[in-house]
Amino acid sequence: NAGVTQTPKFQVLKTGQSMTLQCAQDMNHEYMSWYRQDPGMGLRLIHYSVGAGITDQGEVPNGYNVSRSTTEDFPLRLLSAAPSQTSVYFCASSYPASGAHTGELFFGEGSRLTVL
Amino acid sequence: KNEVEQSPQNLTAQEGEFITINCSYSVGISALHWLQQHPGGGIVSLFMLSSGKKKHGRLIATINIQEKHSSLHITASHPRDSAVYICAGPHSGGGADGLTFGKGTHLIIQP
Repeated sequence: NAGVTQTPKFQVLKTGQSMTLQCAQDMNHEYMSWYRQDPGMGLRLIHYSVGAGITDQGEVPNGYNVSRSTTEDFPLRLLSAAPSQTSVYFCASSYPASGAHTGELFFGEGSRLTVL
Repeated sequence: KNEVEQSPQNLTAQEGEFITINCSYSVGISALHWLQQHPGGGIVSLFMLSSGKKKHGRLIATINIQEKHSSLHITASHPRDSAVYICAGPHSGGGADGLTFGKGTHLIIQP
């Protein structure tokens, strides 16, 4: 199993450009979510999904779009990049904790984005 | 929205010492996560617990649901335990959404 795969690992954008951060998991997890990590701020929730076709906003959703057309994939789109979106982005997935599943979280390796 | 607070923010200790990191949260939750992040960035799940205590090797996590408090303990600490330890709870408390994180405890274990 590959676990949670994020691409790209590094990206430099100019202000106003758009791009998509890819996240894929091969564990058939229902829950997927995106976070950004900034110095002194910790990890903050951008968007999350509890299953294919269902997404919702987290703490800092502005400037980002998501969709969940399949269980495996949860891409994060930056519509018009701004320097304030310079950050490290993490995708995570899990089963809900119930019965046979522990609810353990699995994180991707992170994507470091710089917006000039 | 769940507010998660960790203490201490920074902790330096000598090899072999018993380490305690504390986490408190504001909203009644279904479960709390403890995570570890090493320099270089990868985040690994250590525990998810909803009651009582869990142990894995030298790591022990406890939670008191009534007091909205959890602790992570490391026994016989070792320099390889040096990392940032992060606690996290459901964003709105119910569990069917993403997480809210503490700002992390930066632990350094000196030989």
